[in-house]
Amino acid sequence: GAVVSQHPSRVICKSGTSVKIECRSLDFQATTMFWYRQFPKQSLMLMATSNEGSKATYEQGVEKDKFLINHASLTLSTLTVTSAHPEDSSFYICSARTLAGAHNEQFFGPGTRLTVL
Amino acid sequence: AQSVAQPEDQVNVAEGNPLTVKCTYSVSGNPYLFWYVQYPNRGLQFLLKYITGDNLVKGSYGFEAEFNKSQTSFHLKKPSALVSDSALYFCAGRAPNSGTYKYIFGTGTRLKVLA
Repeated sequence: GAVVSQHPSRVICKSGTSVKIECRSLDFQATTMFWYRQFPKQSLMLMATSNEGSKATYEQGVEKDKFLINHASLTLSTLTVTSAHPEDSSFYICSARTLAGAHNEQFFGPGTRLTVL
Repeated sequence: AQSVAQPEDQVNVAEGNPLTVKCTYSVSGNPYLFWYVQYPNRGLQFLLKYITGDNLVKGSYGFEAEFNKSQTSFHLKKPSALVSDSALYFCAGRAPNSGTYKYIFGTGTRLKVLA
């Protein structure tokens, strides 16, 4: 099946620093990747849609200068949390859409736990 | 606005009993519907999907779901619950002709299976 990985799985950083999270589709090409944020005991909130070779589309209320998304290849998208603050602490999940499947379904990564001190 | 609803925050069931986790949707057209399970500090694991065809869909780990168009529901079921089924379950929908591939997620239902 289609596998999506994320790196790192956990990261702890100091307030004011930037953190990069990678999302990779391991065995398929993904023209579109999605970035979600999940608060404790809550549902997934879509942050942005990332298309290979073009600018990401951000959901309303998500700061594009704060959450930089790059989708430079068909297998890699990165999310950079710039000047992180404690309120950015969260669980970040990516997903990738495959063209190989008949219905373009999404496959999810294992998530990255970000803790900002 | 399109939406997916999971009316129960938590469902408790005794091990060995049948379980149902409810999901209703308001998604245009003939929606694609999905169930995912999430264990603590993990991403979402795919359980099953409805695209078209037979209304009863069978998925991983003995789970199944029934698509009911008249009731706009897609409830997740399992005939005999296991303690290891305890987790957070998400229902999601997508409108295939919307021009977007975004999923609409429900708020999640925490399933607790009691030994």
